[in-house]
Amino acid sequence: AQSVSQHNHHVILSEAASLELGCNYSYGGTVNLFWYVQYPGQHLQLLLKYFSGDPLVKGIKGFEAEFIKSKFSFNLRKPSVQWSDTAEYFCAVSTSGSARQLTFGSGTQLTVLP
Amino acid sequence: GAGVSQSPSNKVTEKGKDVELRCDPISGHTALYWYRQRLGQGLEFLIYFQGNSAPDKSGLPSDRFSAERTGESVSTLTIQRTQQEDSAVYLCASSLASAGTDNEQFFGPGTRLTVL
Repeated sequence: AQSVSQHNHHVILSEAASLELGCNYSYGGTVNLFWYVQYPGQHLQLLLKYFSGDPLVKGIKGFEAEFIKSKFSFNLRKPSVQWSDTAEYFCAVSTSGSARQLTFGSGTQLTVLP
Repeated sequence: GAGVSQSPSNKVTEKGKDVELRCDPISGHTALYWYRQRLGQGLEFLIYFQGNSAPDKSGLPSDRFSAERTGESVSTLTIQRTQQEDSAVYLCASSLASAGTDNEQFFGPGTRLTVL
């Protein structure tokens, strides 16, 4: 079965700092990769997803992620964070065979200081 | 509807009681998922429905947990004889399809269950 690791549990940054959140998965086959975000008091919402093609994926609000197959990684990046990016970020994977349920990492709480 | 809705938003119950949680998916979404999120942890898959196919129950943690879905509409998750370890946020998600690029899952606001 697949698993997802997010090694940073809580990240604190100042506004305008650059962000990189790590995500590693374990699964030997083809995967679909996702980053979800949960702003305080709101639903989980999709930031970006990778299914195939260009491994550098751009999402909403200036976020991007790069799929590095050899490293089983799908790290999330943003060049300059804003206070409004304070949220919890979840990496998730589904396998292309079933493409059904998502397997989530434990999440990273990002706090951006104004 | 505009999005996935869940009810109740909060539920407090006593140990040993049964609870029923409801999910209304986005209209037209054939796939429906239930997840559980314990405090400080990621989401755990519980069960998946796709159209009229038999549900994938592989994530249900015990036989106290069950879920139903009528066609492509409302789903209910039932927890019998609740235990304190059942305390969590229960999230429902729906998607247009279960495979391919249309399987983006849209999440509801969740039901926060507290078992005393």
